[in-house]
Amino acid sequence: DAGVIQSPRHEVTEMGQEVTLRCKPISGHNSLFWYRQTMMRGLELLIYFNNNVPIDDSGMPEDRFSAKMPNASFSTLKIQPSEPRDSAVYFCASSVIPGITEAFFGQGTRLTVV
Amino acid sequence: KNEVEQSPQNLTAQEGEFITINCSYSVGISALHWLQQHPGGGIVSLFMLSSGKKKHGRLIATINIQEKHSSLHITASHPRDSAVYICAAPNFGNEKLTFGTGTRLTIIP
Repeated sequence: DAGVIQSPRHEVTEMGQEVTLRCKPISGHNSLFWYRQTMMRGLELLIYFNNNVPIDDSGMPEDRFSAKMPNASFSTLKIQPSEPRDSAVYFCASSVIPGITEAFFGQGTRLTVV
Repeated sequence: KNEVEQSPQNLTAQEGEFITINCSYSVGISALHWLQQHPGGGIVSLFMLSSGKKKHGRLIATINIQEKHSSLHITASHPRDSAVYICAAPNFGNEKLTFGTGTRLTIIP
């Protein structure tokens, strides 16, 4: 298996633009997590899905952020409109059974909003 | 929410030294995770353990459930071990992970 695949690896956009980050989890993994990593706050959970259903989105910073998982093999994290403070590395991870089995991380998307 | 603390925050050592990184958490858990983040940014899961000890190559992870404490050890450290090591514990009753702030390890040749 190729592991968790994220795209793009790097994204530079202007403030106010819409940004869409993509994730393909490992086949057979039932849970998918979106994390954000910044120097100030470290790794933070934004939202996680179980069997394509959002279970907890309490980590989503505000209404500008939205995430979808239309099927077991694809998820998106969208920011609209983007702001400079959204600049961070966004990681996607998947696991078979959350909290019980290991989580496998994608390579991350480095987002810079100017 | 589980409070996860790591120490030290930064660690520099000579090649070959034995390395210990500590992690403590505040709430009982089912399992604790150790992750490694390379200078390039990628995150790799090293261990997930719920009791005792696990070993993978030169890496050893131990956990004491009663004391709510885990350690990551590296034997015969090598410059390629230089990375940030992060421990993570789930919040009580759910699958959300709380992450420690990480330990930045630098091994000097």
